Amino acid sequence: SQQGEEDPQALSIQEGENATMNCSYKTSINNLQWYRQNSGRGLVHLILIRSNEREKHSGRLRVTLDTSKKSSSLLITASRAADTASYFCATDVNGNKLVFGAGTILRVKS
Amino acid sequence: GAGVSQTPSNKVTEKGKYVELRCDPISGHTALYWYRQSLGQGPEFLIYFQGTGAADDSGLPNDRFFAVRPEGSVSTLKIQRTERGDSAVYLCASSGRMGGRTGELFFGEGSRLTVL
Repeated sequence: SQQGEEDPQALSIQEGENATMNCSYKTSINNLQWYRQNSGRGLVHLILIRSNEREKHSGRLRVTLDTSKKSSSLLITASRAADTASYFCATDVNGNKLVFGAGTILRVKS
Repeated sequence: GAGVSQTPSNKVTEKGKYVELRCDPISGHTALYWYRQSLGQGPEFLIYFQGTGAADDSGLPNDRFFAVRPEGSVSTLKIQRTERGDSAVYLCASSGRMGGRTGELFFGEGSRLTVL
């Protein structure tokens, strides 16, 4: 079962624009994480936000978490062609695993 | 090596055959996870090891799937009597523990299994 659902499923933007991806989930969480995947192989961790945090920054990434709405957003500022990838949110519900959503495919056109 | 290593990177087999997929986690990581990913989908949890024991195997789809981690490092995912529906990329990840929470996972490049 998928706990997190990303929106949109696909996003196409021009280089330099900002990209925003959203994630909704169903149950209480310990933390929420965002991952990136190129070419359908290994995933790379981007950022982790704990349930008691509301916003976190890492370089060009900004993540927000609204536990009352059970939602999170990932903002990539000043996007680059190299940001083209699939992005997944994942939730830690019980400390035993991350449950991933279906992902957002981001295409940044140069 | 510095990262999570998975072998083989690609495996093609025939329906009904037995398959083993190996994962060598980051040294010192006590937590090890197996996921599988079908095309266009997110990773689907299979099993989580803490040390040598399977702490959560709720994601294994049926009794054809089994995983071991006998010495608390390398893990092997075993699939018996493979079916075409088992075709997917099998991902392994490892992690240090974060006080009972799931922290950052470090993923391998995956083993792509194709069952003909």
